[in-house]
Amino acid sequence: GEDVEQSLFLSVREGDSSVINCTYTDSSSTYLYWYKQEPGAGLQLLTYIFSNMDMKQDQRLTVLLNKKDKHLSLRIADTQTGDSAIYFCAESMRGNTGTASKLTFGTGTRLQVTL
Amino acid sequence: DSGVTQTPKHLITATGQRVTLRCSPRSGDLSVYWYQQSLDQGLQFLIQYYNGEERAKGNILERFSAQQFPDLHSELNLSSLELGDSALYFCASSAGTRENGQFFGPGTRLTVL
Repeated sequence: GEDVEQSLFLSVREGDSSVINCTYTDSSSTYLYWYKQEPGAGLQLLTYIFSNMDMKQDQRLTVLLNKKDKHLSLRIADTQTGDSAIYFCAESMRGNTGTASKLTFGTGTRLQVTL
Repeated sequence: DSGVTQTPKHLITATGQRVTLRCSPRSGDLSVYWYQQSLDQGLQFLIQYYNGEERAKGNILERFSAQQFPDLHSELNLSSLELGDSALYFCASSAGTRENGQFFGPGTRLTVL
């Protein structure tokens, strides 16, 4: 079945790197995503990785995927106060109708950036 | 700005009532998804439409229904509202056939009193 888990809270100092972790259970997941949610706002797509990739880098963001362990991580380099938010990982599979399928979200990790 | 719009932003109503939430997807996106976000359940998928047709159903109650219109906007109808229906309701859209992520609207916060 589908289950995505994340730790609830992470606190880092401004300028340090943040690493947010996620584990998922469905080995047939095809895409894995990271979303950011700021207070009172919707979910902002940060990045995604296809399941046959190990790593993807996008500016300050690095996504690592360990498919064997079903572990996904998001590293934010040089973390800023504006990065304070809740970060959700999500998995999806291509639907059997050929369309992009629903997202199954983790519980979210609240990132607190301190000065 | 994701390009997905939702109205209204806030909705306060009473138990037993019916409300309609509206979503306009990004230009060119054919798929619309509805999600519910609550403190106890987290983010839960409700239903997906693609080019006017229902494609997938998640944990959607029978009291809830949705549709996607020819102009691709979508409405989520919630009826016989209960206190536990209070939540944030998000609409998301995607191109439909390509996996490049879903783009979320700002959400509608529903409060049932």
